[in-house]
Amino acid sequence: SQTIHQWPATLVQPVGSPLSLECTVEGTSNPNLYWYRQAAGRGLQLLFYSVGIGQISSEVPQNLSASRPQDRQFILSSKKLLLSDSGFYLCAWDGSTSGGYTFGSGTRLTVV
Amino acid sequence: GQNIDQPTEMTATEGAIVQINCTYQTSGFNGLFWYQQHAGEAPTFLSYNVLDGLEEKGRFSSFLSRSKGYSYLLLKELQMKDSASYLCAVPFSGGYNKLIFGAGTRLAVHP
Repeated sequence: SQTIHQWPATLVQPVGSPLSLECTVEGTSNPNLYWYRQAAGRGLQLLFYSVGIGQISSEVPQNLSASRPQDRQFILSSKKLLLSDSGFYLCAWDGSTSGGYTFGSGTRLTVV
Repeated sequence: GQNIDQPTEMTATEGAIVQINCTYQTSGFNGLFWYQQHAGEAPTFLSYNVLDGLEEKGRFSSFLSRSKGYSYLLLKELQMKDSASYLCAVPFSGGYNKLIFGAGTRLAVHP
């Protein structure tokens, strides 16, 4: 069966520090992967998506970047965090048989 | 452009029925999704409608009217555990797999 893993679960980082969030998928190959952010009390905003190794599409200009170094690995990064980067970050895979996305468990990032 | 509107909050009583509405605007339609999200957790898939009409799945049903750009999620026999946010989502135009989400409707179920 397919599973999606995301870590860490929570993170508190100072302004100006770097960020690396990791997402991996098991049980499938060549998945389409997505990074979303959910600010407090708001909807999910698509940040990046990837259809294969090294293929990254950015949906909104921001302080973040993404990489796909391996088929089932998707990484979200920042060189210098801003206060506005705080939020709930979700990795998603669109290959579930029920349709739509399967989400990772999320990372709650607080920038202080 | 694309836009999704949902009520921000709703309250209901345990055992009752509640209808959560969603209106959308999209230049090309490839279906509509409903997700449930408990506080502090990731969203989980509830339903997918691509044709007009009502799809029933246990206590939850989802309705779609493509001509009206309208959907609703119907929750019957409400339970306390149904207290959550309910997110409506449609694919970006021109891309089946990229979803745009509404801000979600926060449902509080009271005894």
